[in-house]
This record gives sequence, structure tokens and C-alpha cells, in this order.
Amino acid sequence: IAGITQAPTSQILAAGRRMTLRCTQDMRHNAMYWYRQDLGLGLRLIHYSNTAGTTGKGEVPDGYSVSRANTDDFPLTLASAVPSQTSVYFCASKRESGEGNEQFFGPGTRLTVL
Amino acid sequence: GNSVTQMEGPVTLSEEAFLTINCTYTATGYPSLFWYVQYPGEGLQLLLKATKADDKGSNKGFEATYRKETTSFHLEKGSVQVSDSAVYFCALSDVGTGRRALTFGSGTRLQVQP
Repeated sequence: IAGITQAPTSQILAAGRRMTLRCTQDMRHNAMYWYRQDLGLGLRLIHYSNTAGTTGKGEVPDGYSVSRANTDDFPLTLASAVPSQTSVYFCASKRESGEGNEQFFGPGTRLTVL
Repeated sequence: GNSVTQMEGPVTLSEEAFLTINCTYTATGYPSLFWYVQYPGEGLQLLLKATKADDKGSNKGFEATYRKETTSFHLEKGSVQVSDSAVYFCALSDVGTGRRALTFGSGTRLQVQP
């Protein structure tokens, strides 16, 4: 089934630890995104990639890094996790052409940093 | 910058009641407008969209009209069902930026009682 997969589904992490959230899409979409969802704040953009080999900062990039080595994968890394990074993380993708095109979302990763 | 304002929730309705969820936006240029829905424990999925002024998006009995003069995109449904219980997000496309991402409102939780 075509779509976006994320791993892990959930994770409890000690503060200071490094963590990589995985995201893979099989729709051959050029653009990919990472959002975090916090109660009362909606979804906020962390990082994005318009095409393989390029990345950019979103609204809340501090403490996070991404890479885009190929079209399908877009991992998000927390170098040294802090409790304020407790959130639900969603990966999304979109065909590049047309700003009215739909973004497709993965099922999310629930991360708790203690 | 771009922003989206949604009415505070939760909204609690009885089955077959009329639904309105207000959404207003601030943006440069002429963004596309979206409503996404998130069912419990799932990622976001597109409900409907409109790409230019006066367009009406519709799906599953929901509809919303892109009103440029009032910068609004209110979501309506004539008769809600228990299965419509979910969180609804209004969003706009980041026109004129390199990000081509979405700016989301904070979300409105809808609870429909039998």
C-alpha cells in the first residue's frame, strides 16, 4: 500500500540521549516535511526538503537536524533530547508541482523525553 | 507572516445537528486553503481544499468556501454523525516562500453525541 511509514510508533527517551525518527515514503514525492503537534498549538514545521539533497529550516528547527540522501527517506534526529521535545511528530510528503497539492501524512511518532 | 486562527474547542453537538467551525487567515499573496481531519490515534488526512477565491471545497457532506474579502474558510456540515468526531485543522499553503509547507491552525475538537 502506497503511503508514508514512520518508526518507531512511540518512544520514551532519557534527556540527553540521541534519537532518530525514521520516515519513508513510496509515492516518489519530491517534497517532504517534519511537523510536531502539541496541544493547543496545532502542527508546527520543523524542517523540510523540497527535493533529494536539499533541506531547509521551518518554524521550530532548534535541537533538530534532518538529511535527505534519497527521494524516499527523510530522517529527523534529536542530537541531545530535552523534555520540551516531548511531542507527537508527523512526517509528510507532497508532489512538488502546484502549491495547492495535498500533503500526505504518516501515522506519527509519539515521543516522551524524561 | 502567515497565520491561521480557528475557533476554540471542544465543540459538542448532538447527532444530526448543524456544524460550523470558523477559520480565518492572514497571508501574503493568494494561498490555497485546506481542511484536514485527524481521527483518534491517526495521522492527518485531507478533508477538502480550495485553491482560489470563491472556490468551494466539499467532501463527505462537509463544505467550505474560500472568502477572500473576509479572509475566511469556515467548515460546515448540515447533519453531523458520531463518526465525525475528530480534530479538524484549517491550514494554508506557504505561498511565496521556499518552504511550500502548510501553516496550521491550532485545531478544533468535535465531539458528536448520539
